[in-house]
Parts: sequence; structure tokens; C-alpha cells
Amino acid sequence: QITLKESGPTLVKPTQTLTLTCTFSGFSLSTSGVGVGWIRQPPGKALEWLALIYWDDDKRYSPSLKSRLTITKDTSKNQVVLTMTNMDPVDTATYYCVLPGGDAFDIWGQGTMVTVSS
Amino acid sequence: SYVLTQPPSVSVAPGQTARITCGGNNIGSKSVHWYQQKPGQAPVLVVYDDSDRPSGIPERFSGSNSGNTATLTISRVEAGDEADYYCQVWDSSSDHHVVFGGGTKLTVL
Repeated sequence: QITLKESGPTLVKPTQTLTLTCTFSGFSLSTSGVGVGWIRQPPGKALEWLALIYWDDDKRYSPSLKSRLTITKDTSKNQVVLTMTNMDPVDTATYYCVLPGGDAFDIWGQGTMVTVSS
Repeated sequence: SYVLTQPPSVSVAPGQTARITCGGNNIGSKSVHWYQQKPGQAPVLVVYDDSDRPSGIPERFSGSNSGNTATLTISRVEAGDEADYYCQVWDSSSDHHVVFGGGTKLTVL
């Protein structure tokens, strides 16, 4: 059974850096073709893709957020970490960890809500 | 940057057919994926690669894609289909990245 679970702070202050961890099970990020990504959703708004990292350490970022994002993996811990710098209240959202199957995202974590407020 | 356009809302009576569109420049040349999201829940993939269904998704959900419009069709709509629906593609024009549509709220009357 494949699962993904997000963890991290629920509240961050403006200008701070957000660090989120996705801990997964049921697959290995060292397997050829496998990737893990992040998608967020502000309250009442649409989904927004953030980043994706592949088994070979290839990384893809949202063009509009690329300067603020870093995605890394720890294969031995079955974890993927996303950092987002210079947080702003508009970054308040539910952040989802996702497992792509082909070009689609067929398995999602439960999501973690992050509020940016002073 | 590639843009996907969805109608904000679609309404349909139970038992009827709902069609949710996703517009994009030459979207027919891309693979389109559709997600259903119910309140308070994570999205669920309901159609991938234009018209394929993941296991467990009812045959009532189908998709098509041609020209500048992709369509998610839900036949024999049920009350439980009421949800937000999002389309998604990969944009390979630059910095190969993912694009989502703005979402469509399906209301079952």
C-alpha cells in the first residue's frame, strides 16, 4: 500500500522560510521513473503545482515560484523535503505531497494546512 | 505560460449528463488529466491521458480531447458527484512544468 504524509509547521511568520517534509511508504524513490511532488491549494482557490523531484535527482519547479523553492530527497529515509523562502500571507494554503503515475498525480497525501501570519 | 480555462460552475440534474470543459491552446496535442475534489478532501484522479480511468473510477466518468478543448463527461450524474473538478497538463514549452485549470464546481440540482 502506498501512502504519503506531509508534516511541518502549521503557522509561519511573514519572511520566514517554510520547510515541509513528505514521508512516504510503499515505493522507493531510487526506482527508475519514480518521482514525488508538491501541490498547494489556498483556501477556496484552485490547485497550484509547486515542484517535483525524480529518482535521478532531476528537479522541476513552478516557473512563478522557482526562485523561492528548493526540493530535495532522502532516499534512505523515504522523505522529500520542500523549502519555500520569504513566506507571505498569500502562501497560506493546504500543501499536498503527491506521487505521479505517468504524467498524472494518482496518489495524494492528506495535505497539511500552513498559515502565514504575524 | 500555458493557460487552462475552465467554467467556474456547471449545474446538472440527477440522472443527466454533465460536461466540464478545459480550454487551452492546441490542448489536443497534450495529455489531459482530471481530478475530483470534494470538500475537505484531497483531490482524486478520475481520468488520465485524456480518456483513461484509474481502477475504481466508475465508467460514468469519461474524457475527450481535441483541438483547443478537453472535456470531462459524467453520465447519469449522482448527488455524490457534486464536487470541484480540475484539469491538468504538462507544459513543455519551457521549463517543463505542470499546469492546472482554475477548477469547475459541479452542482447537482
